[in-house]
Amino acid sequence: KAGVTQTPRYLIKTRGQQVTLSCSPISGHRSVSWYQQTPGQGLQFLFEYFSETQRNKGNFPGRFSGRQFSNSRSEMNVSTLELGDSALYLCASSLVGTGYSGNTIYFGEGSWLTVV
Amino acid sequence: GENVEQHPSTLSVQEGDSAVIKCTYSDSASNYFPWYKQELGKRPQLIIDIRSNVGEKKDQRIAVTLNKTAKHFSLHITETQPEDSAVYFCAAGERGSTLGRLYFGRGTQLTVWP
Repeated sequence: KAGVTQTPRYLIKTRGQQVTLSCSPISGHRSVSWYQQTPGQGLQFLFEYFSETQRNKGNFPGRFSGRQFSNSRSEMNVSTLELGDSALYLCASSLVGTGYSGNTIYFGEGSWLTVV
Repeated sequence: GENVEQHPSTLSVQEGDSAVIKCTYSDSASNYFPWYKQELGKRPQLIIDIRSNVGEKKDQRIAVTLNKTAKHFSLHITETQPEDSAVYFCAAGERGSTLGRLYFGRGTQLTVWP
């Protein structure tokens, strides 16, 4: 079956602009999480959505937001872009069971964002 | 929150030798420990994982060990090959309803020389 799909793959934005990234999880997966990857900070958790609800949020400013739709697809938005927002943004999906933590998480190819 | 430390940051080995990467974690509630391999420009891909009710797991040339008491886990790659060259990340998962969150180590750049 198809993996996690992210669009766009590459984009260049100007400081002050906003950007929306899209993620389609693996069919049947209801949990979608987002990570920012930079050489300096590594992989950092942004937020996680399950059944259209944000269940967990990392330590990022309010400029970073997201949402999940009824078909489990997710979008993340970054407003008022700063140079430091340049990064690879990875979406990951997992099949959520009940009562057991540690479901396998699968990553998409990511969206490379460059802010100039 | 959880803090995952990973060592070494770079590792160079000769083809055929073994490679070991070590991670420690701080939150005793963590009970899921996956390892991801990321090749240049590609997505992180799960290569092996271990859950806290297991001390060791092996898959062909790759093995992971977990010591819950000491809060550390390790990745062992035997008979390394040039295609094993990549960045390897360890991670620790939270217990409870936040099933989608992983705390990652900073990564280990493994280079296997032919």
